[in-house]
Amino acid sequence: AQTVTQSQPEMSVQEAETVTLSCTYDTSESDYYLFWYKQPPSRQMILVIRQEAYKQQNATENRFSVNFQKAAKSFSLKISDSQLGDAAMYFCAYSPNTGNQFYFGTGTSLTVIP
Amino acid sequence: ETGVTQSPTHLIKTRGQQVTLRCSSQSGHNTVSWYQQALGQGPQFIFQYYREEENGRGNFPPRFSGLQFPNYSSELNVNALELDDSALYLCASSFIKDVPQQFFGPGTRLTVL
Repeated sequence: AQTVTQSQPEMSVQEAETVTLSCTYDTSESDYYLFWYKQPPSRQMILVIRQEAYKQQNATENRFSVNFQKAAKSFSLKISDSQLGDAAMYFCAYSPNTGNQFYFGTGTSLTVIP
Repeated sequence: ETGVTQSPTHLIKTRGQQVTLRCSSQSGHNTVSWYQQALGQGPQFIFQYYREEENGRGNFPPRFSGLQFPNYSSELNVNALELDDSALYLCASSFIKDVPQQFFGPGTRLTVL
């Protein structure tokens, strides 16, 4: 069965600094998708970034980028120039290429210190 | 473009009762997925509906059931409520022929007493 593991329950970062959130996953599939979602206290889940497993190039969205290591089944999120609005729960998620199942990690709570 | 909406926002039920939660998908989306998020946990996939049929299911008992309507809105029904069913229930919509990128609603907070 597919599992997603986030080993950092809590992280903190100074405003304007860089932080990396870790995620590992387990799958026997070769084609799949990986996501990072952000859930602020208002609780609405927002997509931050996604990665298709067949793409070797790491995805980037403005200040957010990933380090995707397929062989190691690792998918970390780097947030550069952290802002107060980045404070939230961050969830790593996996989906097979059929898109009919989704698996989330337990989340990392990010605090941004002014 | 209208986002994903859910109703009600909050709900309190007693053990053994039945509950129906509702979700309207984002305009243009044909797939709806439901998740249960217990306090302090990540969302757990319940099931997905596509073209009014169940298209995938997580590890939830049959007392969790759903419907999808021709307009792609959806319902989640839970029978014989248990205390452990207390959670935030999230609905997410997507367009199945795209990359499975899901757009989430704000959730329904269910409390079972």
